[in-house]
Amino acid sequence: DGGITQSPKYLFRKEGQNVTLSCEQNLNHDAMYWYRQDPGQGLRLIYYSQIVNDFQKGDIAEGYSVSREKKESFPLTVTSAQKNPTAFYLCASKLGPGYENYGYTFGSGTRLTVV
Amino acid sequence: GDSVTQMEGPVTLSEEAFLTINCTYTATGYPSLFWYVQYPGEGLQLLLKATKADDKGSNKGFEATYRKETTSFHLEKGSVQVSDSAVYFCALRGSQGNLIFGKGTKLSVKP
Repeated sequence: DGGITQSPKYLFRKEGQNVTLSCEQNLNHDAMYWYRQDPGQGLRLIYYSQIVNDFQKGDIAEGYSVSREKKESFPLTVTSAQKNPTAFYLCASKLGPGYENYGYTFGSGTRLTVV
Repeated sequence: GDSVTQMEGPVTLSEEAFLTINCTYTATGYPSLFWYVQYPGEGLQLLLKATKADDKGSNKGFEATYRKETTSFHLEKGSVQVSDSAVYFCALRGSQGNLIFGKGTKLSVKP
């Protein structure tokens, strides 16, 4: 079955360390997205990528980095510069331009806790 | 800029009660509108959508009608079940093609 896989489901990090969250999709979707979810805040866009080797900052990109070397993969690195990284992170994808009305497909999320 | 406003939660209902979750939006033109549902510990799933004014989206007993006059897309269900307990997000397609989400409304249904 096609879908988006995020791993790991739970991740613990010590302060000052970088950590990378994995997101892989086999839906042949062109666009991929990273959101951060905090209680009472809804979903906030971190980064997105419309095509391979290209990505744009979202609303809260500071302290995060991404890469898009393959269509299937869009890893997110949470760097030590991110002041408050403890959150639930969601990856999503969709077909490319012209398919905006199809909505997004989401992964099951990674809960990151800084200890 | 584009934005979505949802009613504050949490909403607590008894089984078989009628559900309404209000959603209004601010946007240029008439963007596509969506409702997503998130069950505990999971990602979001598309529940229903409407792509133009006066469209009604429906799925699993839930309905929402795109009202351009009131810029609203309220979610309704005639008889909720315990299994409907989740967080519900209203969203619109922004001018750049990205989805813009409301803050979510938590629904708890008691037996």
